Amino acid sequence: GAVVSQHPSWVICKSGTSVKIECRSLDFQATTMFWYRQFPKQSLMLMATSNEGSKATYEQGVEKDKFLINHASLTLSTLTVTSAHPEDSSFYICSADGGSNSPLHFGNGTRLTVT
Amino acid sequence: DAKTTQPTSMDCAEGRAANLPCNHSTISGNEYVYWYRQIHSQGPQYIIHGLKNNETNEMASLIITEDRKSSTLILPHATLRDTAVYYCIVKGFGNEKLTFGTGTRLTIIP
Repeated sequence: GAVVSQHPSWVICKSGTSVKIECRSLDFQATTMFWYRQFPKQSLMLMATSNEGSKATYEQGVEKDKFLINHASLTLSTLTVTSAHPEDSSFYICSADGGSNSPLHFGNGTRLTVT
Repeated sequence: DAKTTQPTSMDCAEGRAANLPCNHSTISGNEYVYWYRQIHSQGPQYIIHGLKNNETNEMASLIITEDRKSSTLILPHATLRDTAVYYCIVKGFGNEKLTFGTGTRLTIIP
């Protein structure tokens, strides 16, 4: 089945630094990828929709200058958390759309801890 | 996307069938019903989806009522590894985002 790989699976960084998270579709091309964030004991919250070759679409309340998304190819989207702060500590999850009749498949998430 | 309503939590004995209900009374004609589950600290895992006919795969069965206003996910022989949060989501056809509700926390009891 379709596989989405997310890297790294966990990262610890210091406040003020930037962290890049990669999301790859391994056996299919994805023109659209989605980035979610999940806080403890809460559901997944969509942050942005990443479109290959164009600018990402951000959900209301998500700062586009803080969460930089780049979808440079049909198999790779990256999320960069810039100038991270402790409140950005969360579980970040990506998903990729493999086609009009395919379900979305999700990566295994990246746990970010900002100290 | 149409909203869904699920019970907050459910328990099921190991080896028995787990039946997870979902209400989606405002579903529109071109929206599918999707089920995902999330095991602790992992990404959501796709289980099954359907439009109006009942569906079955190696993981589960999906029963959709004739009026499509509700559905039930059935795990025929639950194991401890089926303990997870189960999300019922309705979504249109194509590159549309999935909007997650709060889901049902299913606990399989030995």
